[in-house]
Formats: sequence, structure tokens, C-alpha cells
Amino acid sequence: EAGVAQSPRYKIIEKRQSVAFWCNPISGHATLYWYQQILGQGPKLLIQFQNNGVVDDSQLPKDRFSAERLKGVDSTLKIQPAKLEDSAVYLCASSPSRADIQYFGAGTRLSVL
Amino acid sequence: AQSVAQPEDQVNVAEGNPLTVKCTYSVSGNPYLFWYVQYPNRGLQFLLKYITGDNLVKGSYGFEAEFNKSQTSFHLKKPSALVSDSALYFCAAHFGAGSYQLTFGKGTKLSVIP
Repeated sequence: EAGVAQSPRYKIIEKRQSVAFWCNPISGHATLYWYQQILGQGPKLLIQFQNNGVVDDSQLPKDRFSAERLKGVDSTLKIQPAKLEDSAVYLCASSPSRADIQYFGAGTRLSVL
Repeated sequence: AQSVAQPEDQVNVAEGNPLTVKCTYSVSGNPYLFWYVQYPNRGLQFLLKYITGDNLVKGSYGFEAEFNKSQTSFHLKKPSALVSDSALYFCAAHFGAGSYQLTFGKGTKLSVIP
């Protein structure tokens, strides 16, 4: 069974530029999550989708971050404009349902200069 | 506020010795508890979970964890450490129906010394 796929693996941008990350979850998983992991910290949930609807985006900085889940499958996370403090690893995870085990992708490491 | 704490930034253990990585939680109600492991440049991998039932939970790669409700702890253990167990370990919890948001601890780096 294929795992959660994320791209790109690495991205370097300058502050005030925009960036987008892509995630393809495990086939059949209804729930998709985006996490931000800052160096030395545990992952922090940014947004949670159930199929193509948003369940929880309470910790998403909505003035600069946006996310969508296309047709309840793939998802993109966008940052516009980026700030220095956005430098982190962005992890995508999926699970069969909200209470199930979450399976993580390898992440995208973002460096904002 | 609900939270998960991992009091040790780093744990060092000799190969073949038992290991323990500590986790405590703060919550009202019954938490669902998880351990994940992260190897360099890779995503988090699920090790084990506790929902209800036996307080001792067995997981992948010989790891186990003990749920202690009175001490609000969920420590990760392994009887005999391997060098390949060296990695970053995260404890996580979600706190019941209606809100399944995973809250993670800050992680503990485990180093197994040959």
C-alpha cells in the first residue's frame, strides 16, 4: 500500500514570496491533516479535512495560510506572503476516519530567507 | 488547557539495556494516547496506541507503553535497546469525541550507544 506522498521535499524562498505544498493521502482515507513542525518542537495541527470539508482550522493563520482539498483526495497548502517564522517542516497526514491512527508523509522542509 | 509533556529532551542508553521514554498528559476525561517515532528526514511512524483496556500496550519493533491513570503517564519502554532505535520519539494525545485533534509533546531524542 502506497503511503502519504508530499512534494516538494525541500523549498527555499525569500520572505514575502508565496509557496505551495502538495499532498496525496493514502487511498480511501477520508481525513487529511496538515501540521507545522518547527525545529525542536512537536508537530502542530494547522488544518483538518474530512473528505473535502474543513473540520478544524482554528490554528491556521488565515491571513497568510490557505488550504484546500480537491474532490476529497489531494490537498494543497499555500503560504502568501511567507515570513521568516514560517521556516519549518510541513507534514501531511491521513487516516481512515477522525479517531483512527494517522499516517504521515515525509514532509516538506521550508526555509524562508 | 489540555497538554502533553515529555520531560526529557534526550535519553541515552547503552545497547542491550532497557529504555524508558517518559510522557505525561493533562486532560479532563479519557485521552487516546499514541507514540510515534521520527527518523532523520522522514515522517512520523506510528508505534502504538492506548484507547481502553489493558494498561500495558504492545506495539511495533518490540516497544510497549504503560498507561497509568493515577499518574497521568504513558511511558514508552523496551526491554533491550538496539542502536537502530536511535531516533526522535513523540508522545501524542487526543481528548475524546468531538475533538480528535492530536496534541504532541515536544519530542525526546533517544540515543542508543553501542
